[in-house]
Formats: sequence, C-alpha cells, structure tokens
Amino acid sequence: AQKVTQAQTEISVVEKEDVTLDCVYETRDTTYYLFWYKQPPSGELVFLIRRNSFDEQNEISGRYSWNFQKSTSSFNFTITASQVVDSAVYFCALSEAQGNNRLAFGKGNQVVVIP
Amino acid sequence: EPEVTQTPSHQVTQMGQEVILRCVPISNHLYFYWYRQILGQKVEFLVSFYNNEISEKSEIFDDQFSVERPDGSNFTLKIRSTKLEDSAMYFCASMGGRASYNEQFFGPGTRLTVL
Repeated sequence: AQKVTQAQTEISVVEKEDVTLDCVYETRDTTYYLFWYKQPPSGELVFLIRRNSFDEQNEISGRYSWNFQKSTSSFNFTITASQVVDSAVYFCALSEAQGNNRLAFGKGNQVVVIP
Repeated sequence: EPEVTQTPSHQVTQMGQEVILRCVPISNHLYFYWYRQILGQKVEFLVSFYNNEISEKSEIFDDQFSVERPDGSNFTLKIRSTKLEDSAMYFCASMGGRASYNEQFFGPGTRLTVL
C-alpha cells in the first residue's frame, strides 16, 4: 500500500528565508512516481514536479529545489529566498506504476511567508 | 495549452438531494479520476475510470457515488443523496496513457456545500 507522510503541518518563515518541506513515502512497488503540488488560497492544485523512482538526480527550478533520497524514502522540497506569493499548502504525492496510477497524497504543509 | 475544466465551480445543495459534478478532461486522455478534499484536509482518491469502466475505487466511493462518461467528452460524478459530510472540494483529473509517466492533470475543482 502506498503512503505519504508530511510531518510538519504549518511552517512560518520570514520573507527571504529558506524553507524545507519533508516528505517520506512508503511503497512496495519498484517503479513509482513522486510529485509535489502547490495549493494556493484559491484552491486549485498546481503541479510543481514529477520524479520517477529511477531518477535520483536532484533538481532545481528557479527558487525551488528537490532532494530525492531513495535510501531514506524521502523527497524533500526547498524554497529558497521565500516570497509572500509562496504562501500556500504544499502536497507531496506518490503513484505506483502498477495498478491504476491513483495518487496518494500527504496531509500537506501550510507555508506562511511573513513579509 | 489543453486543460481540464470542471463545472460548476461552486455547488450548494440541500442534504438528501442529488448532485452531478461535471468534468471535461483533456481530449486525447484515456484515464480519468475523481479526488475529494474536505476543507483543511488532504486530497483523497475516490475513483479511477478507464475504457468506460471503473478501474479502481476507494472505500469512500460507496453506493451513493457513481461515475459516467456519457458522451466521450464529459466525465461526471454523481452523488445520489448528499450528506453533510460530502461537503468538500472535488477535483477531476485526467492522464494521457501509460507512457505519460503517471502525470495527472487536475481541473480547478468544484466546491460542494451540503446544507
């Protein structure tokens, strides 16, 4: 069974600070995909990144970076030099290659960036 | 860029009434999903649909729920007799196919309020 844990619930940072969101996952499948989504106050789910289980390369996209560590089953997300527009809920999610590709989401991290 | 659309954006209904939430997936996609997010909670999988039938459903998706793809473009979620606890944001998602690396494209959601 697939499971995603995001232990931190709400994180407050002052603008320009960095913030790291932890994501730990469980799966029995050897091929799986990991995702991060942003949910701003308007409610939609905004896709940020997908990573497959065979690609452990870390990725940087602007102020966002992701650290995938298969050995610890973690896929952490860092926002560098946070801005007020980063205030949102961030969800980590997992889908397995077997089966019907349903996404299992973590509980989300509420990030509040204080100006 | 193609996108998933959902109507209505907000639906208010009385307990016991039937509601139909509508989604138009991306036109060449083959896999369709409904997810639910109760306010302040995580996004939960409801059902997946492929080849004109349900491929997987969660324990949430009981006999009160049904899905349909009536005309090759729309994908609907029906709740037969709504309960207060059905109040949530409902997201539709679609995916192209197995080669699309499990990337699901989400619609903007329908906020359902049951009074």
